[in-house]
Amino acid sequence: GAGVSQSPSNKVTEKGKDVELRCDPISGHTALYWYRQSLGQGLEFLIYFQGNSAPDKSGLPSDRFSAERTGGSVSTLTIQRTQQEDSAVYLCASSLPVGVVAFFGQGTRLTVV
Amino acid sequence: AQTVTQSQPEMSVQEAETVTLSCTYDTSENNYYLFWYKQPPSRQMILVIRQEAYKQQNATENRFSVNFQKAAKSFSLKISDSQLGDTAMYFCAFMKPETSGSRLTFGEGTQLTVNP
Repeated sequence: GAGVSQSPSNKVTEKGKDVELRCDPISGHTALYWYRQSLGQGLEFLIYFQGNSAPDKSGLPSDRFSAERTGGSVSTLTIQRTQQEDSAVYLCASSLPVGVVAFFGQGTRLTVV
Repeated sequence: AQTVTQSQPEMSVQEAETVTLSCTYDTSENNYYLFWYKQPPSRQMILVIRQEAYKQQNATENRFSVNFQKAAKSFSLKISDSQLGDTAMYFCAFMKPETSGSRLTFGEGTQLTVNP
């Protein structure tokens, strides 16, 4: 596609439920990143994919968070047993294999009630 | 670990005037990149300008320019002839290129408001 696409744009879920957030990167971009932006905060790194493998998962805050990428394209970030502190905007970015510039999607705003 | 600090949570400027946003960073690396991203209410992060640490010349993109002081670890953004559309959150970011992924480290952001 022309840009990084994320869905859903907004998600409201009840505490304790599982959610899946989707990212469709720019075609040809093998590097994919997930970031989290809590209210009034900067962005914190969650996980990095190169192709289908995730060499850096160091930013995932707990074992309730997981992510996968299939076909070297679409990625899904899953949050199990959501908590109120998981409420944030989740941003996805992609870049060329050794690209310097990351292109971002519009994010998914997750609200846990 | 790298850190990025933006000491101005909010700034405002009159349309057509010039404003400078501050950013400092801390790293022991010699080869790295610095970026300014803009985040309007649409939430999408948009690249404004980037600077390679090995280049002494300050980057410029139309009305946007940076003052990169490597020894002082300072990377400020100057916006000239401010426009209403420049109203947004601005993030300074650091990146060290690595084969294992070039993740960005962001500052806390500066909310810029351009007043008519």
